[in-house]
Amino acid sequence: NAGVTQTPKFRILKIGQSMTLQCTQDMNHNYMYWYRQDPGMGLKLIYYSVGAGITDKGEVPNGYNVSRSTTEDFPLRLELAAPSQTSVYFCASSYSDRGPEQYFGPGTRLTVT
Amino acid sequence: GENVEQHPSTLSVQEGDSAVIKCTYSDSASNYFPWYKQELGKGPQLIIDIRSNVGEKKDQRIAVTLNKTAKHFSLHITETQPEDSAVYFCAASIRQAGTALIFGKGTTLSVSS
Repeated sequence: NAGVTQTPKFRILKIGQSMTLQCTQDMNHNYMYWYRQDPGMGLKLIYYSVGAGITDKGEVPNGYNVSRSTTEDFPLRLELAAPSQTSVYFCASSYSDRGPEQYFGPGTRLTVT
Repeated sequence: GENVEQHPSTLSVQEGDSAVIKCTYSDSASNYFPWYKQELGKGPQLIIDIRSNVGEKKDQRIAVTLNKTAKHFSLHITETQPEDSAVYFCAASIRQAGTALIFGKGTTLSVSS
């Protein structure tokens, strides 16, 4: 199993541009999450999904959108990028019925200038 | 809202010493408390976790203790080694977000030989 994979690894955006961060897991996990990590801070939950077709907001959802059309994929969309969205983004997944352990991807480092 | 406080923010020990990191949480409904290790440029990796019906859990050199009455939990690393150097995060489950987590701000552990 590859686990949780994220693309791209790095990206630089100009203010106002849009992009989609990709996340895929091959563990058949039903729960998936997006977090952001700012320097010197813990991770903050942006959005989460408990299954295909179901998404909900976390602590810091403003400026982001998500969709969950399949069990495997959970893309995060940034519309009209702002400097405040400069961060490292982590996707995670878990299979709650067997335990709440979350497994994280390697992250996407995004800079908005 | 829910909050997790983590102390200390930095910790320096000599190889072979013990290291203790402490966290407190605010949501009395939290029932799952994982600890993650994050190495530079990588995603967080689960190292140990504890559920609310257990007071202590050990895994080789790592142990976690939980005091539900006081709403605090701690990570204990014995016989530290240079490869233990990393950022450690505690987290607590959010009652209304599947198994989504609230993270502490992290502790940078440095083990010198």
